[in-house]
Amino acid sequence: NAGVTQTPKFRILKIGQSMTLQCTQDMNHNYMYWYRQDPGMGLKLIYYSVGAGITDKGEVPNGYNVSRSTTEDFPLRLELAAPSQTSVYFCASSYARDANSPLHFGNGTRLTVT
Amino acid sequence: QKEVEQDPGPLSVPEGAIVSLNCTYSNSAFQYFMWYRQYSRKGPELLMYTYSSGNKEDGRFTAQVDKSSKYISLFIRDSQPSDSATYLCAMSQTDKLIFGTGTRLQVFP
Repeated sequence: NAGVTQTPKFRILKIGQSMTLQCTQDMNHNYMYWYRQDPGMGLKLIYYSVGAGITDKGEVPNGYNVSRSTTEDFPLRLELAAPSQTSVYFCASSYARDANSPLHFGNGTRLTVT
Repeated sequence: QKEVEQDPGPLSVPEGAIVSLNCTYSNSAFQYFMWYRQYSRKGPELLMYTYSSGNKEDGRFTAQVDKSSKYISLFIRDSQPSDSATYLCAMSQTDKLIFGTGTRLQVFP
């Protein structure tokens, strides 16, 4: 079982460049999420989706965009990369959006913007 | 004041020790309490989940919730080097989920 797969694992971007972080899950989960993890700051929710075609902002959405055209895929787009977006990005999925449905995380994309 | 506070560590203990990891919180509406374990260069994975106050045991792990004190703990008995990881507490009310910053644990042989 692959679970949640994220690509790429690492990326270095120059300021102003754009990129898409890919995320796919094979558990047929309706709910998918993007988090960023910074030292001393914990996991912060960027965007989430409750199903194909439906997305919503999380706690820190500025500078990011998402789309959800299929149940499996939930890409995160950075349009104009800034040093403040240097972070580790985690995609996650769950069966439902409540405490009884644990989050299943991918192994992250480590992004550096210089 | 952060909604969830967690000591970042690192906490370094010898193999076989009892480990206590803790979080405090300020939002009395939190009802569900979780512990996630995160190995280096990996994503977090759910370790334990409890609802409301009380204890829950799973093998060498015990999760404890004290809602009156707004304090949760994770105890690890007979700690092993394979327990070396970052432990994140998480709390939720309905669909709002808040993570602690994580405590890094190192268990040395």
